[in-house]
Amino acid sequence: DIQMTQSPSSLSASVGDRVTITCRASQRITNFVHWFQQKPGTAPKLLIYADSNLQTGVPSRFSGSGSGTDFTLTISSLQPEDFATYFCQQSYITPWTFGRGTKVEIK
Amino acid sequence: EVQLVDSGGGLVQPGGSLRLSCAASGFDFNNYDMNWVRQTPGKGLEWISYINHISSAIEYADSVKGRFIISRDNARNSLYLQMNNLRDDDAGVYYCARGIPPAPMSTVGSLFDYWGQGTLVTVSS
Repeated sequence: DIQMTQSPSSLSASVGDRVTITCRASQRITNFVHWFQQKPGTAPKLLIYADSNLQTGVPSRFSGSGSGTDFTLTISSLQPEDFATYFCQQSYITPWTFGRGTKVEIK
Repeated sequence: EVQLVDSGGGLVQPGGSLRLSCAASGFDFNNYDMNWVRQTPGKGLEWISYINHISSAIEYADSVKGRFIISRDNARNSLYLQMNNLRDDDAGVYYCARGIPPAPMSTVGSLFDYWGQGTLVTVSS
């Protein structure tokens, strides 16, 4: 199975900060990586698909980049509603797997 | 508006069975692949099963293969997960998720663009 290793597992940041979350795949997955946001008690929400494509309705402060095995989710200017947990996921080959998540907390 | 409503969770003893349902609305269910994803304390988010739009292709994660059965009824706009021989580590929140191809050349609905609200499965004696 492809392992998706996310880092950091948690971070503290302030409103307005630039935040970067990384995800490393255990093998090359071309650009079949996607990013989700999850708030407590709710389902994950798709933010970015196929490495760098913004899902409809998602603010442009979210962006994705990377290729091969290393991928990044960036929030250019953190807003109060962005405090949540973020997950990466690969859909290159089954079983499709997720990272363990990065919890973004208020500093 | 796309809506997926998960139901059927509850408390079950180890070795027991449960059937989850997912009611879809707001899109042409017949034309979309569907998935089940669960979130457990032990493994976090875990994809567990996929079914294509006409039920001709089905996949399972090894952790549930031989115990869980995915199915769908396109006439009822519904997705199901029959869970048998449940174990302690199956406990968690189960989500149905619509699957779309992540790239133009893809044909498999492996990108989860809409999710149900989840249904909680508790396995305990």
